[in-house]
Amino acid sequence: DAGVIQSPRHEVTEMGQEVTLRCKPISGHNSLFWYRQTMMRGLELLIYFNNNVPIDDSGMPEDRFSAKMPNASFSTLKIQPSEPRDSAVYFCASSLGAGGGEKLFFGSGTQLSVL
Amino acid sequence: EDKVVQSPLSLVVHEGDTVTLNCSYEVTNFRSLLWYKQEKKAPTFLFMLTSSGIEKKSGRLSSILDKKELSSILNITATQTGDSAIYLCAVGSATGRRALTFGSGTRLQVQP
Repeated sequence: DAGVIQSPRHEVTEMGQEVTLRCKPISGHNSLFWYRQTMMRGLELLIYFNNNVPIDDSGMPEDRFSAKMPNASFSTLKIQPSEPRDSAVYFCASSLGAGGGEKLFFGSGTQLSVL
Repeated sequence: EDKVVQSPLSLVVHEGDTVTLNCSYEVTNFRSLLWYKQEKKAPTFLFMLTSSGIEKKSGRLSSILDKKELSSILNITATQTGDSAIYLCAVGSATGRRALTFGSGTRLQVQP
């Protein structure tokens, strides 16, 4: 199995630009999670989907962030407009379950730098 | 709100030492506690502990769940430089549909 695949691996952009992060979960997994990791705040949940439906988006910082999951094999996280404080590593993870404590499989992350 | 606190925040040891990492939690209707190892990028799964499986062991690593004290420890014996990483603890709840809540991690550095 290829595991969770994220792209791009690195993204450097200027403040105000739109950023789109992409994720392909493990085939057969029915839950997908977007986390953000910073030195100050650790790993924080942004949003998670179950069967392509958003279940918990309480961690999405503000309206500048949006996430979609149009089908079981693809999800995007978009930031528009981006700000320097969005600089972080963004992880996508998937699991076989409905959310609630099962094992997550993580992608390699996207290192985002907003200048 | 679920909460996970890990200690120490960082630790430097020498090869061959034994280390104990701590994780305490507050969660509504506990379901599971998981340990992950993060070396360069992606966290990788180590153990899952539940009410029916409070002790796990794999090679030099072992973990115990203390539901009474709402905590867990991760032990690493005979440490090697390859054990250098951030160790993350996370808890899951059986109430509603909530994702894992992670602690800030313990950064372990093993010196030759």
